[in-house]
Amino acid sequence: AQKITQTQPGMFVQEKEAVTLDCTYDTSDQSYGLFWYKQPSSGEMIFLIYQGSYDEQNATEGRYSLNFQKARKSANLVISASQLGDSAMYFCAMSAANQAGTALIFGKGTTLSVSS
Amino acid sequence: DAGVTQSPTHLIKTRGQQVTLRCSPKSGHDTVSWYQQALGQGPQFIFQYYEEEERQRGNFPDRFSGHQFPNYSSELNVNALWLGDSALYLCASSTGTGTGELFFGEGSRLTVL
Repeated sequence: AQKITQTQPGMFVQEKEAVTLDCTYDTSDQSYGLFWYKQPSSGEMIFLIYQGSYDEQNATEGRYSLNFQKARKSANLVISASQLGDSAMYFCAMSAANQAGTALIFGKGTTLSVSS
Repeated sequence: DAGVTQSPTHLIKTRGQQVTLRCSPKSGHDTVSWYQQALGQGPQFIFQYYEEEERQRGNFPDRFSGHQFPNYSSELNVNALWLGDSALYLCASSTGTGTGELFFGEGSRLTVL
């Protein structure tokens, strides 16, 4: 069965610093997708970044990058130059198969607090 | 371009009652998924609708049922509510192509007393 593990319940960082949020996954599939979502207090889940299991390059989207280490089954999110608006809950998720229309399996999340 | 909209945003029910939650997908999206998020947890997949049929289902009892309409909007019904059903219910829409990225609504927060 697929599983996502996020071991950091909370992380604290100062504005303009970089922060890494950890995510490890478990799957026996060869084809899968990895996602990161941000959930502010409003409740809406906001898509940040995606990495396919066959992608050789690490995904980047603006200040977000995904450090994908396939052999270690890790997919850490790196946020550069943190901003106060980055304070939120962050979830790592995996698709059961690397294709559209499949269910996402989420980790328990990491709360990020950014201070000035 | 409207995103995913859900209603109601908050509701309170008592044990044994039934509830219906509604979702309108993002324009151009034909697939709707429902997730349950208990306090302090990640979302858990309930089911997914495509072409008005349930395409996938997670590990939820039959008390949880749904429907998708021809305009792609969807409803989630929960019968015989119990305290453990208290959660944020998230609707997500997607297309049948691409990476499977989901667009979420702000959720319906259900409290069962």
